[in-house]
Amino acid sequence: RKEVEQDPGPFNVPEGATVAFNCTYSNSASQSFFWYRQDCRKEPKLLMSVYSSGNEDGRFTAQLNRASQYISLLIRDSKLSDSATYLCVVRGGGGGNKLTFGTGTQLKVEL
Amino acid sequence: DGGITQSPKYLFRKEGQNVTLSCEQNLNHDAMYWYRQDPGQGLRLIYYSQIVNDFQKGDIAEGYSVSREKKESFPLTVTSAQKNPTAFYLCASSISGTENFTFGSGTRLTVV
Repeated sequence: RKEVEQDPGPFNVPEGATVAFNCTYSNSASQSFFWYRQDCRKEPKLLMSVYSSGNEDGRFTAQLNRASQYISLLIRDSKLSDSATYLCVVRGGGGGNKLTFGTGTQLKVEL
Repeated sequence: DGGITQSPKYLFRKEGQNVTLSCEQNLNHDAMYWYRQDPGQGLRLIYYSQIVNDFQKGDIAEGYSVSREKKESFPLTVTSAQKNPTAFYLCASSISGTENFTFGSGTRLTVV
């Protein structure tokens, strides 16, 4: 089983739609959780951290369920510029400070 | 401006040759990392270093070597022993013990 699993997509959605991505992780000792965004042929960039209480940054909402080892990202009112691959990332759990990446979920927002 | 620089951006290598990818940071970060990305597989950790003159193998270290002689620099050598070297290579750095990772813009290596 992969340490971090995501649905690869692609998710093709119309502009203005709400889209949700899910991610599961296998190591219950994992300490920190993130969503990164990666544009085609570019490096990943931090989108947001994920906190146990859930957190929101504008149109983006992230949630963590430690009991189910499940992380989610909700994007409301999606824009064309949201088209990218979204990577679920987990840190810690016996591996020091290194990050473990999911394979990413591809989002395509269309007119 | 502080940042992390990878060079070259695109690199072509003949099969059987070693090649070294450069990674330099001026962020004063203690820790540095090398990841490899293949289509459909996400990023996988090759090597990481949390302090000068020390480094550890990641999940896919076979066929690669690194050095950390200076805090700013963490070069990665892809040796001829690496069976499938064609990939997108990403270097990252962080302050040890924090989650503030910065990535370089990557090197796309193609073996011909």
